[in-house]
Amino acid sequence: AQKVTQAQTEISVVEKEDVTLDCVYETRDTTYYLFWYKQPPSGELVFLIRRNSFDEQNEISGRYSWNFQKSTSSFNFTITASQVVDSAVYFCALSEAWTGGFKTIFGAGTRLFVKA
Amino acid sequence: NAGVTQTPKFRVLKTGQSMTLLCAQDMNHEYMYWYRQDPGMGLRLIHYSVGEGTTAKGEVPDGYNVSRLKKQNFLLGLESAAPSQTSVYFCASSSIRGGTYEQYFGPGTRLTVT
Repeated sequence: AQKVTQAQTEISVVEKEDVTLDCVYETRDTTYYLFWYKQPPSGELVFLIRRNSFDEQNEISGRYSWNFQKSTSSFNFTITASQVVDSAVYFCALSEAWTGGFKTIFGAGTRLFVKA
Repeated sequence: NAGVTQTPKFRVLKTGQSMTLLCAQDMNHEYMYWYRQDPGMGLRLIHYSVGEGTTAKGEVPDGYNVSRLKKQNFLLGLESAAPSQTSVYFCASSSIRGGTYEQYFGPGTRLTVT
């Protein structure tokens, strides 16, 4: 069965610190997609990144980077030199390809507080 | 290009009342979804649709009905609201083209049932 675990409920850091948000997933499928979404205090959900199961290459986008490791079933998200604007709830999600993507499972989310 | 829109943004209902939430998308996406978000529980799928005229149950469908009469619209109905349905409701859509599956979300509807 699909499962996404975000063990960190809340993280608090001071501006300019680096922070890593953990995501561990479970799936029986060999083809699947992983996602991160951001939900700022305004409430909307913003898509950040997608990774498919065949591509373990890490990705960097500005201050954001993602580390995908199939061996540990993890898809961790690191923010470098955090800023107050990074304060948000971050969700990790998993879609198995055989379901056509409509059975996306979301983790419970990690609330990140970045203090000035 | 508005993306995904939801109406209304806020609503207060009394127990037993009914209402319909409207979701509209202008991206020509095939798939549409309704989720509810409760504190500490992430997003849970209520119902979804893989195309015009089709709907299916998600993880928590009880107490809700949906319809998708047009490709761009997905309606969520509460026939007899209960306090347990107090939540934030999000609509989303995604495309089957390219098989990438990322979902694009509306701004949410905050519903309170008293």
